Amino acid sequence: QLQLQQSGPGLVKPSETLSLTCTVSGGSINTTSYYWGWIRQPPGKGLEWIGTIYYTGGTYYNPSLKSRVTISVDTSKNHFSLKVYSVTAADTAVYYCARHFSSSWYSDYWGQGTLVTVSS
Amino acid sequence: DIQMTQSPSSLSASVGDRVTITCRASQSISNYLNWYQQEPGKAPKLLIYGASTLQSGVPSRFSGNGFGTDFTLTISSLQPEDFATYYCQQTYTTPWTFGQGTKVEIK
Repeated sequence: QLQLQQSGPGLVKPSETLSLTCTVSGGSINTTSYYWGWIRQPPGKGLEWIGTIYYTGGTYYNPSLKSRVTISVDTSKNHFSLKVYSVTAADTAVYYCARHFSSSWYSDYWGQGTLVTVSS
Repeated sequence: DIQMTQSPSSLSASVGDRVTITCRASQSISNYLNWYQQEPGKAPKLLIYGASTLQSGVPSRFSGNGFGTDFTLTISSLQPEDFATYYCQQTYTTPWTFGQGTKVEIK
């Protein structure tokens, strides 16, 4: 059974960098039919797609965040990562990693979610 | 960006009720429409993709319909475990966008 396990700090100071990793188990990240991405949800609010990566390193980003976001993949460790630079309180959210099926781009497996609070 | 508008934002219903949630896209998205269920404190769960295809393991009381700009999610007979928030999502073009959510509460 595929599992996505998220790791990373739950508290980040303003202007610093948010870093999260999603480790895939029960399957390989080197899969031609799937992409891997990040989605976030501010407390009490809706879902926002951040960006998506293929195992070869190709990326798609939400233009609203593109200037401050980097998603990378490490196939040797079977994980992918998110960095959000120069964070503010508006970046406080639960961050989810997910697998996307490339035919229709739906997200069929999700990580457990990480609440990241931006505060000094 | 394509705007996704769900209605209603919330609804109260009883166990056994038939419930329909509507999602409208600001432009045509063909059938690139997915539905998710989210329980409090949990990750979203995929229910339906491609507007009408039931994800494996999802009960058959859930169904989806629509094409172009107008879509519906129907729960034929509401069960206690169905009280949650439901989101539609378009994946026709990036940035992929979600509706604001519909919270289904117990009457």
